[in-house]
Amino acid sequence: GNSVTQMEGPVTLSEEAFLTINCTYTATGYPSLFWYVQYPGEGLQLLLKATKADDKGSNKGFEATYRKETTSFHLEKGSVQVSDSAVYFCALMRGSNYQLIWGAGTKLIIKP
Amino acid sequence: NAGVTQTPKFQVLKTGQSMTLQCAQDMNHNSMYWYRQDPGMGLRLIYYSASEGTTDKGEVPNGYNVSRLNKREFSLRLESAAPSQTSVYFCASSEGQPMEQYFGPGTRLTVT
Repeated sequence: GNSVTQMEGPVTLSEEAFLTINCTYTATGYPSLFWYVQYPGEGLQLLLKATKADDKGSNKGFEATYRKETTSFHLEKGSVQVSDSAVYFCALMRGSNYQLIWGAGTKLIIKP
Repeated sequence: NAGVTQTPKFQVLKTGQSMTLQCAQDMNHNSMYWYRQDPGMGLRLIYYSASEGTTDKGEVPNGYNVSRLNKREFSLRLESAAPSQTSVYFCASSEGQPMEQYFGPGTRLTVT
């Protein structure tokens, strides 16, 4: 069945460090892929998305490329800030059944 | 434009008590969802409503019922609360393809 696997957290980095959060998926066909972010005490909000192979989603300095050959959608940012501290969720949607399949989330902690 | 609103923000119930979680959206979205979020497990879909007048079970529907009251409102009812239902509950709505979902701030429920 469809599934999403994310790297376990927490991930702790210093400000201005390079960030990678790994996400791999299992799905038949060509799912759409998403990264959502949850700031402390808030609901989730869409960070970026990609709908087909080799697409790159980007937003707020974050990027992720849809890699069909490695079934991955890793999240990257060149220089993180304290305000990026949050929980990041990778998710996939396949077909029109209205359901997103979620990873477990990765907590990111940025220290000044 | 408030987006997705949820009430209450916090609730403590005793085992066996019932309650209804309320959700409303003002974005004229057709689809609405209820999720629960537990530590280390990401989000799990409880029920969803693809359009007004329809509801369908998600991954973990047991112990819950839903009502799509109108296009704006989608409520989640716990008829007889159990400690296993202690969780954070999120409502979301969406429109269009791919299904970007907009989340409410969540309800933190504790069942003792």
